Amino acid sequence: DVKVTQSSRYLVKRTGEKVFLECVQDMDHENMFWYRQDPGLGLRLIYFSYDVKMKEKGDIPEGYSVSREKKERFSLILESASTNQTSMYLCASSFGTGRQETQYFGPGTRLLVL
Amino acid sequence: LAKTTQPISMDSYEGQEVNITCSHNNIATNDYITWYQQFPSQGPRFIIQGYKTKVTNEVASLFIPADRKSSTLSLPRVSLSDTAVYYCLVGVLRNYGGSQGNLIFGKGTKLSVKP
Repeated sequence: DVKVTQSSRYLVKRTGEKVFLECVQDMDHENMFWYRQDPGLGLRLIYFSYDVKMKEKGDIPEGYSVSREKKERFSLILESASTNQTSMYLCASSFGTGRQETQYFGPGTRLLVL
Repeated sequence: LAKTTQPISMDSYEGQEVNITCSHNNIATNDYITWYQQFPSQGPRFIIQGYKTKVTNEVASLFIPADRKSSTLSLPRVSLSDTAVYYCLVGVLRNYGGSQGNLIFGKGTKLSVKP
């Protein structure tokens, strides 16, 4: 069974802080994704990665960066957190062999920026 | 760029068939249609995926008309445990040739199943 874990379920940070959200998958998947989920807006793709050290911007990359130093781990970084980044953050992974594949999601991290 | 539209909410009773429609008028030739289910405090979970006509698995069916401008997720005989938010996803991660595609999630349909 595919398992995607996220380092925190809930996180409270202050404006201007640097925030790291960690995601780990245990199925040797090539692709990993970061989404944010907001009421009324659904899921929006921030960044995805198709290989170690590779990344692609999604629909809303502004204010975020990512890091993928190891295949199983994908980090989302908020360089200077702002209140409009308060949201639910979801990590996902997929095999990477096809053009459109099943994504396996983690449980999410609810981030509150004060 | 495909934009998806789904009803915000739907109500049903146990044992009924539920159909949730997603509109995606400008779907691209390469795009697939995928549906996910999300329970509170959990990440979305894959239900079904299709490209055209009809796809059926053990939990749902997906109907896609010939013009592919909409798709309908059909849940047979729902139970209380089917109460969740259902998202349609239109797009493809990579186009033919390897260029980056687009993945667009709908805003979700909150299904409430009553006894």
